[in-house]
Amino acid sequence: IAGITQAPTSQILAAGRRMTLRCTQDMRHNAMYWYRQDLGLGLRLIHYSNTAGTTGKGEVPDGYSVSRANTDDFPLTLASAVPSQTSVYFCASSDEHRVVKGNQPQHFGDGTRLSIL
Amino acid sequence: AQTVTQSQPEMSVQEAETVTLSCTYDTSESDYYLFWYKQPPSRQMILVIRQEAYKQQNATENRFSVNFQKAAKSFSLKISDSQLGDAAMYFCAYRSAPQPKNFNKFYFGSGTKLNVKP
Repeated sequence: IAGITQAPTSQILAAGRRMTLRCTQDMRHNAMYWYRQDLGLGLRLIHYSNTAGTTGKGEVPDGYSVSRANTDDFPLTLASAVPSQTSVYFCASSDEHRVVKGNQPQHFGDGTRLSIL
Repeated sequence: AQTVTQSQPEMSVQEAETVTLSCTYDTSESDYYLFWYKQPPSRQMILVIRQEAYKQQNATENRFSVNFQKAAKSFSLKISDSQLGDAAMYFCAYRSAPQPKNFNKFYFGSGTKLNVKP
């Protein structure tokens, strides 16, 4: 089934540890995104990538890094986790090749619930 | 930057009744796109409906329809004949018209939790 796969589904992590959240899509979308979802704040963009080999900072990038070695994968790394990074993390993708059709929505993975103790 | 506001943190509706969720946005752009996403307890983000700003006709998808008021910068979602399965968080989202080689960011509201009473 085409879509976005995130792993792990949930994780409990000790503060100070390094953690990589995985995201893979099989829709050949050129653009990918990482959001965090916190109660009352909606979704906030952490990092994005327009195409393989390029990344950019979103609204709340501090403490996170990403890479985009190929079209399908967009991992998010927490170099040294802190309790304020406890959240639900969503990976998303969209087909931005269709520049004449801005109505292309973002497609989301099922999220990763991350708890930092 | 554009902002999206959902002023109703939580709403309730009786099964089979109609409910309207509000969304307003702030932008100086004339060309953009609006979306409503549904997030059930399963945590999935599901596209419900989309609207192009250049279209005057309100979008409709089965029991879901929007009231798009461009001058008022308002984009409300109406759910008719509410069903128990409609219970979820609903997010309103805005994106600018695509620009070649530029990043196209989606802006999300903070969400409205919809309860459906049997």
